[in-house]
Amino acid sequence: AQKVTQAQTEISVVEKEDVTLDCVYETRDTTYYLFWYKQPPSGELVFLIRRNSFDEQNEISGRYSWNFQKSTSSFNFTITASQVVDSAVYFCALSRYGQNFVFGPGTRLSVLP
Amino acid sequence: DGGITQSPKYLFRKEGQNVTLSCEQNLNHDAMYWYRQDPGQGLRLIYYSQIVNDFQKGDIAEGYSVSREKKESFPLTVTSAQKNPTAFYLCASSISGSLADTQYFGPGTRLTVL
Repeated sequence: AQKVTQAQTEISVVEKEDVTLDCVYETRDTTYYLFWYKQPPSGELVFLIRRNSFDEQNEISGRYSWNFQKSTSSFNFTITASQVVDSAVYFCALSRYGQNFVFGPGTRLSVLP
Repeated sequence: DGGITQSPKYLFRKEGQNVTLSCEQNLNHDAMYWYRQDPGQGLRLIYYSQIVNDFQKGDIAEGYSVSREKKESFPLTVTSAQKNPTAFYLCASSISGSLADTQYFGPGTRLTVL
């Protein structure tokens, strides 16, 4: 069965600190996609990144970077020089054949000024 | 502007009443989804539809019903059979519902049953 684990329930950092959000997934599929979404206090989920199972290159987008390692079934998300506006709940998700997304429980990030 | 709209943002109902949540998209997406989010938890799939006039149950479909008569609309009815309906409901859509598709979300409806 597919499963996504985000072991960190809540994280607090001070502005300008770097922070890494962990995501570990389980699947028997050889082809799958992983996603990260941000949920600010307004509630809407905002898409951040999609990664397919055959592409293990790390990706950087501004202050955001992602580290995908199939050997450890992890897809971790790092925010560099965090800002107050980064405060949100972050979800990792796994796509699965026939039944769409499985979401992790989310990590609540609080960035303090 | 292209996007997904959900109305209303907040909804209050008395126990035992059915209630319908609206979801509309103008992205020309074929697939649409309904998720439920409870405090401190991830999203759970209620129903999804990959094409007009067809839909499939997700992980927690009991007590809910949907229809897909138009491509742009996917309303969700929370029936009186749903034991714990108070939750945040999110609608999403994607281009075709394939494995690779990104899902885009609406702003959500917070339902409170009194």
